[in-house]
Amino acid sequence: EAGVAQSPRYKIIEKRQSVAFWCNPISGHATLYWYQQILGQGPKLLIQFQNNGVVDDSQLPKDRFSAERLKGVDSTLKIQPAKLEDSAVYLCASSLSPRGDTQYFGPGTRLTVL
Amino acid sequence: SQKIEQNSEALNIQEGKTATLTCNYTNYSPAYLQWYRQDPGRGPVFLLLIRENEKEKRKERLKVTFDTTLKQSLFHITASQPADSATYLCALTGYSSASKIIFGSGTRLSIRP
Repeated sequence: EAGVAQSPRYKIIEKRQSVAFWCNPISGHATLYWYQQILGQGPKLLIQFQNNGVVDDSQLPKDRFSAERLKGVDSTLKIQPAKLEDSAVYLCASSLSPRGDTQYFGPGTRLTVL
Repeated sequence: SQKIEQNSEALNIQEGKTATLTCNYTNYSPAYLQWYRQDPGRGPVFLLLIRENEKEKRKERLKVTFDTTLKQSLFHITASQPADSATYLCALTGYSSASKIIFGSGTRLSIRP
């Protein structure tokens, strides 16, 4: 079974530029998550999708971050414009169901904002 | 506010010994608690899930306990090996559909030969 795929693996941009990350979850997984993990900290949930609907986006900085999951499969996370404090690893995860289920994580995208 | 605390210091254990990691939480009533392993440059990998009505769960050399009175979970690795060296994260999920998943900051474990 293929795992969660993410691209790119690394991205370096200057502040005020925009960037987009892509995630392809495990086939059949209805729930998709985007996390931000700052060095030395645990993952922080940014947004959770159930199929193509948003379940929780309470910690998503909506003035600069946006995410979509068209057709309930792939998802993209965008930052526009980026700030220095956005430097982090962005992790995508998927699970069969939204509650108490094992999450399968992708390798993450390491973003550096200069 | 909701808070999860894990051993802030890295844990260094001699190979063959039992490693014990702690996860404490406040202002939260979790329905589930999960433990994940994270290696450098990789995403977390699920290890064990324990429900609030379960006291203990085992899987091979791993054991998790969950004490909702103490608001604490302990994660044990018996007969530790250098390959067990990694960062271990605990994560809580609440009862309400509105509760978000919260991860601790992790404990870095090093097993020396």
